[in-house]
Amino acid sequence: NAGVTQTPKFQVLKTGQSMTLQCAQDMNHEYMSWYRQDPGMGLRLIHYSVGAGITDQGEVPNGYNVSRSTTEDFPLRLLSAAPSQTSVYFCASQKNTYEQYFGPGTRLTVT
Amino acid sequence: DAKTTQPPSMDCAEGRAANLPCNHSTISGNEYVYWYRQIHSQGPQYIIHGLKNNETNEMASLIITEDRKSSTLILPHATLRDTAVYYCIVRVGNTDKLIFGTGTRLQVFP
Repeated sequence: NAGVTQTPKFQVLKTGQSMTLQCAQDMNHEYMSWYRQDPGMGLRLIHYSVGAGITDQGEVPNGYNVSRSTTEDFPLRLLSAAPSQTSVYFCASQKNTYEQYFGPGTRLTVT
Repeated sequence: DAKTTQPPSMDCAEGRAANLPCNHSTISGNEYVYWYRQIHSQGPQYIIHGLKNNETNEMASLIITEDRKSSTLILPHATLRDTAVYYCIVRVGNTDKLIFGTGTRLQVFP
């Protein structure tokens, strides 16, 4: 199993541009989530999904959209990038156990 | 959701036990205590969880007080590779969302 994969690893955007951060897992996990981590801070939950077709907001959802059309994929879309969205983004997945598996992260800079 | 309080940083000598405290005085009866850690800039890694009994696995031990208002994560023989930020999280079962705080930065020194 590849586990949780994220692409790209690094990205630089200009203010106002849009992009999609990709997240995929091959463990047939129902629960997936997106977090952001700003320098020196803990992780903050952006959006999460408990299964295909079902998504919900976390702590900091503004400026981001998600969809879950398949069990494997959970992309995160930035609609109009802002410098405040400069951060490291982590995707995670979980099945019916107690352990969440995290991807390696995407480092995003918005100029 | 119940909130947790952790010291911002701790030091531990290599080979000694690292005891990381967590206060969760408003925890509800159906909320579990989870511990994760984040090494450098990697994604967080699950360590252990518990409800009210003490738990042990190959990585660590979790001691939960009888009133469940606090807990301690114990790394019995800390190594340099255990240097990381450790997060204590309370969560309902295994389906609720994880809410991370700022954690404890553990520095293990030679």
